[in-house]
Amino acid sequence: GDSVTQMEGPVTLSEEAFLTINCTYTATGYPSLFWYVQYPGEGLQLLLKATKADDKGSNKGFEATYRKETTSFHLEKGSVQVSDSAVYFCALSAPRTSGTYKYIFGTGTRLKVLA
Amino acid sequence: GAGVSQSPRYKVAKRGQDVALRCDPISGHVSLFWYQQALGQGPEFLTYFQNEAQLDKSGLPSDRFFAERPEGSVSTLKIQRTQQEDSAVYLCASSPQGAMPQETQYFGPGTRLLVL
Repeated sequence: GDSVTQMEGPVTLSEEAFLTINCTYTATGYPSLFWYVQYPGEGLQLLLKATKADDKGSNKGFEATYRKETTSFHLEKGSVQVSDSAVYFCALSAPRTSGTYKYIFGTGTRLKVLA
Repeated sequence: GAGVSQSPRYKVAKRGQDVALRCDPISGHVSLFWYQQALGQGPEFLTYFQNEAQLDKSGLPSDRFFAERPEGSVSTLKIQRTQQEDSAVYLCASSPQGAMPQETQYFGPGTRLLVL
């Protein structure tokens, strides 16, 4: 079945370090791909998304490129800040045969950025 | 404007009790989703409404779980005869249109349910 696999955390980085959080997926058809972020004490919020192969989503200095050939959607940021400390969830949406859509989230990767 | 709100934020129930969890989506949003998030895990889909119609309930784990959205706005997730394995955070999300794969979902803060 369809699934999302993301790297286990926690990931601990120093401020201004380069960040990569790996995400790979398994899906039939052509899913849309998302990164959601959950800051401490808050609900999940969309960080970025990509809806077709080779699309790049970007927001707040974060980027991810939809790679169909490697079924990946890795999250990157060139220089992290303490305020980026949060849990990051990779997710996909894909059609069901019933005409509705399935929504699948990864297990989340906790990022901690040290000053 | 106001985001998605959920109540109560925390609920402690004794095993066997019934609970009702409320979700107020963003006004005018057509789609409403419920998810269950176990500790250390990602959200798992439970059910989906388009307006008042429950179009997908494939993720509901048992017939003890029931959801409704009678007027196409507020939704209630009801769990009957709660069990310890029901302990989790229950998330509600809404989106502006009918289910489309690229739609952004707007999440509420969740209700943390603990069954003793």
